Amino acid sequence: DQQVKQNSPSLSVQEGRISILNCDYTNSMFDYFLWYKKYPAEGPTFLISISSIKDKNEDGRFTVFLNKSAKHLSLHIVPSQPGDSAVYFCAASIANAGKSTFGDGTTLTVKP
Amino acid sequence: KAGVTQTPRYLIKTRGQQVTLSCSPISGHRSVSWYQQTPGQGLQFLFEYFSETQRNKGNFPGRFSGRQFSNSRSEMNVSTLELGDSALYLCASSLIGTGGYGYTFGSGTRLTVV
Repeated sequence: DQQVKQNSPSLSVQEGRISILNCDYTNSMFDYFLWYKKYPAEGPTFLISISSIKDKNEDGRFTVFLNKSAKHLSLHIVPSQPGDSAVYFCAASIANAGKSTFGDGTTLTVKP
Repeated sequence: KAGVTQTPRYLIKTRGQQVTLSCSPISGHRSVSWYQQTPGQGLQFLFEYFSETQRNKGNFPGRFSGRQFSNSRSEMNVSTLELGDSALYLCASSLIGTGGYGYTFGSGTRLTVV
């Protein structure tokens, strides 16, 4: 049972446009949702998170939206830059559980 | 400040052998988690240690084990290696291992079993 799903394995956008990465989850017990970015040969880097009691969190070019009724979250990157090209992982955690559940990742390619 | 350090970066082992991977977390971080990443797969949770105690364990066979020392450094061990154990093993540290603060990951150990 995959509790966190990223249904799009890849996404390609033009530089300067908006990138929207999507994530669905099944476990309503999740308290936090996080996004990580991963370059080849490196570990994932934490980008942004959102608490389950909020519906939006913004940090510079990155905004995460949470729709609890639909069990869906999305990461918006505006404007997209070539350096944003990486694999993006969605993750979810339950407070005090000591683990995060990750999706399979979406490969974002930003074309100059 | 220094990041999460994993050693070795690359490892080649023969089927049936055992292997130990090491992780040094960020200073002050008490939680260390281990994840396995295989091609085309997301990160699969192995286990998490907090203050030397295993707090959570993923769905991996007993051949996978770990421990954490008093200085928060952690090791994971895989015994009787199988070809399917070939993967990138990632260690992540955080202050308390929960919440929305995110983990800091190391660069991983690439294990190849032949």
